[in-house]
Amino acid sequence: DAGVIQSPRHEVTEMGQEVTLRCKPISGHNSLFWYRQTMMRGLELLIYFNNNVPIDDSGMPEDRFSAKMPNASFSTLKIQPSEPRDSAVYFCASSFAGGNTEAFFGQGTRLTVV
Amino acid sequence: SQELEQSPQSLIVQEGKNLTINCTSSKTLYGLYWYKQKYGEGLIFLMMLQKGGEEKSHEKITAKLDEKKQQSSLHITASQPSHAGIYLCGADIGNAGNMLTFGGGTRLMVKP
Repeated sequence: DAGVIQSPRHEVTEMGQEVTLRCKPISGHNSLFWYRQTMMRGLELLIYFNNNVPIDDSGMPEDRFSAKMPNASFSTLKIQPSEPRDSAVYFCASSFAGGNTEAFFGQGTRLTVV
Repeated sequence: SQELEQSPQSLIVQEGKNLTINCTSSKTLYGLYWYKQKYGEGLIFLMMLQKGGEEKSHEKITAKLDEKKQQSSLHITASQPSHAGIYLCGADIGNAGNMLTFGGGTRLMVKP
């Protein structure tokens, strides 16, 4: 398996533009996580899906952020409109749910909003 | 995350020296995970601890979990430049299976 695949690896956009980050989890995994990493706040959990259903989105900073998982092999994180303070590295991770097994992380998307 | 505190925040050691990184939780730990991250890359899983008093080793890295103290330590013996990176502890503190929150990380530099 190629692991968790995220795209794009880097994204530079202007303030106010819509940004969509993509994630393909490891085949067979039924839990998917979106994290955001910054120097100031470290690694923060944004949202967690189990069997394509959002279970906990309490970490989503505000209504400008939305996440979807239309099927078991694809998820998106959308920011609309983007702001400079959204600049961060966004990670997607996947795992088997409920078994206390490790989560596997993608390489991340480095987002810069200017 | 305020729920997981890591110490120290950064560490510089001479190659060959031993070092310890600590991770303390303010809540009950249902599972404790150690990851390593190199700059610009994703997190690489190192070890998972579940039971009080559990200890695991991989090559020169040993992790222990003291469930009573809600604390875990990561010990590296005879450090090498390849050990450099950011070490993060993550924990399932809500017994949700594997919904992990992470500590702030420890940035390790190993001087050759």
